[in-house]
Amino acid sequence: SQTIHQWPATLVQPVGSPLSLECTVEGTSNPNLYWYRQAAGRGLQLLFYSVGIGQISSEVPQNLSASRPQDRQFILSSKKLLLSDSGFYLCAWRGGVGYTFGSGTRLTVV
Amino acid sequence: GQQLNQSPQSMFIQEGEDVSMNCTSSSIFNTWLWYKQDPGEGPVLLIALYKAGELTSNGRLTAQFGITRKDSFLNISASIPSDVGIYFCTCMNYGGSQGNLIFGKGTKLSVKP
Repeated sequence: SQTIHQWPATLVQPVGSPLSLECTVEGTSNPNLYWYRQAAGRGLQLLFYSVGIGQISSEVPQNLSASRPQDRQFILSSKKLLLSDSGFYLCAWRGGVGYTFGSGTRLTVV
Repeated sequence: GQQLNQSPQSMFIQEGEDVSMNCTSSSIFNTWLWYKQDPGEGPVLLIALYKAGELTSNGRLTAQFGITRKDSFLNISASIPSDVGIYFCTCMNYGGSQGNLIFGKGTKLSVKP
């Protein structure tokens, strides 16, 4: 069966520090992968999506970047975090009907 | 581009009450999906609807795919505290062009015991 793993679950980082959030999918190959951000428990904002290794599409210009070094690995990064980068980050993959989401990372930039 | 309007934005209800929320799209789709996000977790698929007019139940949840194929509603009967969370709708053309899903802005449900 397919599973999606996202870590860490919680992260507190100082302003100006780098960020790396990782997402991996098991049990499927060549999945479409997505990074979303959710602020204050509200809507889902699509940040990046990837249809294959090395293929990244950015939906919203910002202080973040994404990479897909392997078929089932999707990484969200930042070189220097801003206070406004705080939020709940969700990874998802598309398979079958709709998306399957990871359990999320709560990022607090202080 | 496609627009998805979900309402209400939030609801505060008493335990035992029924809940109704809906979603409308600017375009026609052949599949509607409803997700629930528990606090601090990722959204989880609750119900999928594949046919216009279809009414599907999952326990106390009932969802309908509108006849026009541009809307859907989700009802929760006899709400309980664990119904708390954010409910998202989305629609797609299952089996067709695999564009990215657009999600509604969510309905935040609070249940008072």
